[in-house]
Amino acid sequence: NAGVTQTPKFQVLKTGQSMTLQCAQDMNHEYMSWYRQDPGMGLRLIHYSVGAGITDQGEVPNGYNVSRSTTEDFPLRLLSAAPSQTSVYFCASSYMTGTLIGEQYFGPGTRLTVT
Amino acid sequence: GQQVMQIPQYQHVQEGEDFTTYCNSSTTLSNIQWYKQRPGGHPVFLIQLVKSGEVKKQKRLTFQFGEAKKNSSLHITATQTTDVGTYFCAGARGSWGKLQFGAGTQVVVTP
Repeated sequence: NAGVTQTPKFQVLKTGQSMTLQCAQDMNHEYMSWYRQDPGMGLRLIHYSVGAGITDQGEVPNGYNVSRSTTEDFPLRLLSAAPSQTSVYFCASSYMTGTLIGEQYFGPGTRLTVT
Repeated sequence: GQQVMQIPQYQHVQEGEDFTTYCNSSTTLSNIQWYKQRPGGHPVFLIQLVKSGEVKKQKRLTFQFGEAKKNSSLHITATQTTDVGTYFCAGARGSWGKLQFGAGTQVVVTP
């Protein structure tokens, strides 16, 4: 099992450019999520999904879109990059027990710089 | 604003000493998880607590969930250099709870 994979590992964008961060998991987990990590802020939830076709907003969704067409994939789209989106992005997945989110498995992260 | 608060933000420990990091929420949590992140790495799951007053141990690590399910603690005994990293708590509120992470406690261990 590869677990949770993310591509790319590093990315530099110019202000206004768009791009998609890829995330895939091979554990058949229902729950997938995207976080951004900034110094001193911990991890902040951007968007999450409880299954294929179902997505919802987290704490900081503005400027990002997601879709979940399959159980395995959960791409994050930056619509028009801004310097404030410079961050490390982590994708995570987990099983669910009823409405409880279980142990989250994190990908290795994408370091994004917007100039 | 952030509703899951962690203290302290930074902990400098001598090898062999004990320390505790605390996680406090302004609202009742349905469950709480703890993660460890090594420098340059990704968060790795340590434990999940669900029941009021629950205590779980993993070798030198003891995790506790408060009676009111609004706070939690992680106590590490006899700290080792391998304990270096940032420890995060993450709490969920309500049904289909979104996990909210605290800002983390960065632990530095000196030999």
